[in-house]
Amino acid sequence: EPEVTQTPSHQVTQMGQEVILRCVPISNHLYFYWYRQILGQKVEFLVSFYNNEISEKSEIFDDQFSVERPDGSNFTLKIRSTKLEDSAMYFCASSRGGLGNQPQHFGDGTRLSIL
Amino acid sequence: AQTVTQSQPEMSVQEAETVTLSCTYDTSESDYYLFWYKQPPSRQMILVIRQEAYKQQNATENRFSVNFQKAAKSFSLKISDSQLGDAAMYFCAYRRGSQGNLIFGKGTKLSVKP
Repeated sequence: EPEVTQTPSHQVTQMGQEVILRCVPISNHLYFYWYRQILGQKVEFLVSFYNNEISEKSEIFDDQFSVERPDGSNFTLKIRSTKLEDSAMYFCASSRGGLGNQPQHFGDGTRLSIL
Repeated sequence: AQTVTQSQPEMSVQEAETVTLSCTYDTSESDYYLFWYKQPPSRQMILVIRQEAYKQQNATENRFSVNFQKAAKSFSLKISDSQLGDAAMYFCAYRRGSQGNLIFGKGTKLSVKP
């Protein structure tokens, strides 16, 4: 069964550095999402992306964050000038789109640790 | 704003027994979908079951079923014949419309005792 893949599985970065988290959504999916989960807390929505533009974003997704689909297969989340509180598990998800109850399929996540 | 509440931080069940995890939500929307996701210690997010708000019939997937009470805005998950592999965090999630983002509850940690 096709799946969403995320790399790296674990990223350790010094505070203030930039980090790029990568995701390869399922190939025929049209909607892409990033979520984060701070350790021990609930999963929070960051941003959704459709037709090469952001369709929705949360208040967490400020100017520090950006997303891109650079080559038609990858979907990236860039975090500039990382802060300690950016340490979290970041999940990418994708869905097929269209009408009806198309679920979001999640990747295994990238654990981001800011030192 | 929509909210999802899971009032049970932890639950425990004996292997082969049945357990019910609670979830309530708040919304003024009419077009929405509800989901249960499972997150084992490996941290993957695995879809367990989904329910369309416009359907009265409760969804079932093998040993997993839901009790969807639309008027009460309640969406509980029943796990029958619990297995050791069911031990995980379970998240209830709400989605407005076909492509909206998911809003998650805080999760319920389920332990399964042999």
